[in-house]
Amino acid sequence: DQQVKQNSPSLSVQEGRISILNCDYTNSMFDYFLWYKKYPAEGPTFLISISSIKDKNEDGRFTVFLNKSAKHLSLHIVPSQPGDSAVYFCAASVRDSNTGKLIFGQGTTLQVKP
Amino acid sequence: KAGVTQTPRYLIKTRGQQVTLSCSPISGHRSVSWYQQTPGQGLQFLFEYFSETQRNKGNFPGRFSGRQFSNSRSEMNVSTLELGDSALYLCASSLGAGQWDTQYFGPGTRLTVL
Repeated sequence: DQQVKQNSPSLSVQEGRISILNCDYTNSMFDYFLWYKKYPAEGPTFLISISSIKDKNEDGRFTVFLNKSAKHLSLHIVPSQPGDSAVYFCAASVRDSNTGKLIFGQGTTLQVKP
Repeated sequence: KAGVTQTPRYLIKTRGQQVTLSCSPISGHRSVSWYQQTPGQGLQFLFEYFSETQRNKGNFPGRFSGRQFSNSRSEMNVSTLELGDSALYLCASSLGAGQWDTQYFGPGTRLTVL
């Protein structure tokens, strides 16, 4: 049972344009969501997060939107740069649980073309 | 400050064998989590250790086990290897348990089962 899904395996965007990566979840108990970026031959690195009490969080070129009623979140990258080309994973957890685990989606490969 | 280190980086085993992977967290970090990355499933949570105690475990068979030592270093063991265990195994460390937005990943151990 895939509780966190990234239905687009890949996305190609022109440099300077907006990249929108999507993520859906099924478990309504999730209250904390994160995005990670992964380059080949490296471990993932944390990018941005959002708590379920918010519907938007910004950090520079990166903005995450959360739609709790639709159980959907998205990551917007504006403007996209070639260095953003990587695999992006969304992840979800139940933050205050003593037994919380981090559940990842399958990842979306973003290619930003110069 | 040194990052998360994982040894070995690459490993080739045959079916039925067992394997032990090692993870040294960032100095001062007491939580270590393990993940399996495969092309179809993305990143899947294996387990999290905090202060030598397994805090949580993902949905993996009992062939997958782990432990954490008093210096926070962690090992994971897979017994009776199957072809499907071929994957990139990532560990991540953080100061405290469940601090997903401040966990740092190692580069991973690439395990190939023949």
